[in-house]
Amino acid sequence: EAGVTQFPSHSVIEKGQTVTLRCDPISGHDNLYWYRRVMGKEIKFLLHFVKESKQDESGMPNNRFLAERTGGTYSTLKVQPAELEDSGVYFCASSQDYQAETQYFGPGTRLLVL
Amino acid sequence: SQKIEQNSEALNIQEGKTATLTCNYTNYSPAYLQWYRQDPGRGPVFLLLIRENEKEKRKERLKVTFDTTLKQSLFHITASQPADSATYLCALELDTGRRALTFGSGTRLQVQP
Repeated sequence: EAGVTQFPSHSVIEKGQTVTLRCDPISGHDNLYWYRRVMGKEIKFLLHFVKESKQDESGMPNNRFLAERTGGTYSTLKVQPAELEDSGVYFCASSQDYQAETQYFGPGTRLLVL
Repeated sequence: SQKIEQNSEALNIQEGKTATLTCNYTNYSPAYLQWYRQDPGRGPVFLLLIRENEKEKRKERLKVTFDTTLKQSLFHITASQPADSATYLCALELDTGRRALTFGSGTRLQVQP
């Protein structure tokens, strides 16, 4: 069974540009999460989808971040316009259903904003 | 505010010894606590989950304890191997049922051959 995949693995952009990150969860997993680790800090929660609905987006830092999960399968996280402080590693995770406590993480996308 | 503390200093031990990592939390009573392993350039990998009514949980060479009075979890790796070298993260669901995990900063373990 394939794990959580993320694309791209790395992205280097200039301040003010737009970047879109993609996450493909484990097949059949209803729950999809986005997390972020900025330099020197711990991993922090961004948001949680249950199927195509946003269950919890309390961790989204500001309105420059837009997450979607059309059709309840893969998800995208768009940052527009990117700022220097957005640099970090963005992780996606999935879990099978709402009762499942264990989350399976992808390898992350390393974003560098110059 | 909610806080999860892990020893930020790296832990260096000799192969074959037992590694013990600590996770302390404040201002919350979680229903369960999880431990993850993270290797450089990779995402966290789930290891163990222990619930508030469980004192101890084991999986192969791994053992986790959970003391809700002390608000502390200990993570043990017995007969450690160089392949155990990684960063170990503890994580809590701070709001029951919310499913958003809050992570500690992690402790890096280095097992010397």
